[in-house]
Amino acid sequence: AQKVTQAQTEISVVEKEDVTLDCVYETRDTTYYLFWYKQPPSGELVFLIRRNSFDEQNEISGRYSWNFQKSTSSFNFTITASQVVDSAVYFCALSSYVAGGFKTIFGAGTRLFVKA
Amino acid sequence: KAGVTQTPRYLIKTRGQQVTLSCSPISGHRSVSWYQQTPGQGLQFLFEYFSETQRNKGNFPGRFSGRQFSNSRSEMNVSTLELGDSALYLCASSESRVMTRQETQYFGPGTRLLVL
Repeated sequence: AQKVTQAQTEISVVEKEDVTLDCVYETRDTTYYLFWYKQPPSGELVFLIRRNSFDEQNEISGRYSWNFQKSTSSFNFTITASQVVDSAVYFCALSSYVAGGFKTIFGAGTRLFVKA
Repeated sequence: KAGVTQTPRYLIKTRGQQVTLSCSPISGHRSVSWYQQTPGQGLQFLFEYFSETQRNKGNFPGRFSGRQFSNSRSEMNVSTLELGDSALYLCASSESRVMTRQETQYFGPGTRLLVL
């Protein structure tokens, strides 16, 4: 069975601190896709990044960086020099093709509070 | 390109009624997925449609159904509403059947359903 675990329910940091959001996944599929989404109070899920199972390159985008390690089934997300606007719920998700269809499961989410 | 749109944004119904939610995907996107988000259960996959066919389904009772039209617009229907159906219903669209490095699910703003 597939599973995504985000063990951190809530994290609170002060502006300019670095913060890492953890994501651990379980799957038996050899081909799968990992995502991070941000959900601000408005409710809409905003796509941040996608990583394919066959591509373990880490990525940096501005203040955001992602560390994908297949050996530990982890896909962690780091925000450098956090800002108040980063306050949101962040979801890690795992997608694959199941029985001819596309299916995504989400972790429980990590609520990030960034205080000024 | 316009993003994913969902109507209505807010809805109040009473137990026993039925409801229909609508989703218009990004132009050119052929896959539409639906998710239910509640504080207790988090984000759960309902179903996915591609070219008017349901390709995958989550673990929800038969009261939850959906369909997709030839223009890729999708509707989901919940019959005999229960209090526990109160949730944010999110729709996501993606470009094609085959997952490519560029393919990603983009989410709409959601429909908040309250069942009294």
